[in-house]
Amino acid sequence: DAGVTQSPTHLIKTRGQQVTLRCSPKSGHDTVSWYQQALGQGPQFIFQYYEEEERQRGNFPDRFSGHQFPNYSSELNVNALLLGDSALYLCASSFNRGQGNTIYFGEGSWLTVV
Amino acid sequence: DQQVKQNSPSLSVQEGRISILNCDYTNSMFDYFLWYKKYPAEGPTFLISISSIKDKNEDGRFTVFLNKSAKHLSLHIVPSQPGDSAVYFCAAREYGNKLVFGAGTILRVKS
Repeated sequence: DAGVTQSPTHLIKTRGQQVTLRCSPKSGHDTVSWYQQALGQGPQFIFQYYEEEERQRGNFPDRFSGHQFPNYSSELNVNALLLGDSALYLCASSFNRGQGNTIYFGEGSWLTVV
Repeated sequence: DQQVKQNSPSLSVQEGRISILNCDYTNSMFDYFLWYKKYPAEGPTFLISISSIKDKNEDGRFTVFLNKSAKHLSLHIVPSQPGDSAVYFCAAREYGNKLVFGAGTILRVKS
């Protein structure tokens, strides 16, 4: 049973460019959340997708957008990259009707903006 | 406004002794609390959780205690092992499986 998988693992982008990160949730999970973790901080909630729609959103600008596909996988898109977008991006997978302890994370995608 | 706080940035413990990691929260609507362990360059790994209606949950060497009146929870690791050295995050669940994290505590277990 595969856990949460994310790609790519590492990437370097230039300021102003756009990036797409991908996530496949754990088998049986239907909800995908994205988090940004800057150095020395805890993960910060970006948004959550369920039934192919954005259900909740954290305090992130519209440059951050996402998508969920019918197979529950998800993408995170960031436009007009800034140096401050350099961080670890984490995908969390859960079951909508699950208990609070069924939230699993992928290994993350390290984004460096230069 | 930080809803979940881990006030100790780091903790150093001797192997075999108890490690106690603390977490405070402000939002009474959190219904679950979770602890994650994270190594550098890896994603957070789920350790243990507790429902807001419980005051203790135990899993092997790990025990989480919840004091709702004080809005405080703690993770106890007994006995501590060198492999426990990592960053520990406290997280609280809001509606719809959204997690609010603390800033983390670096645990170092010395052998």
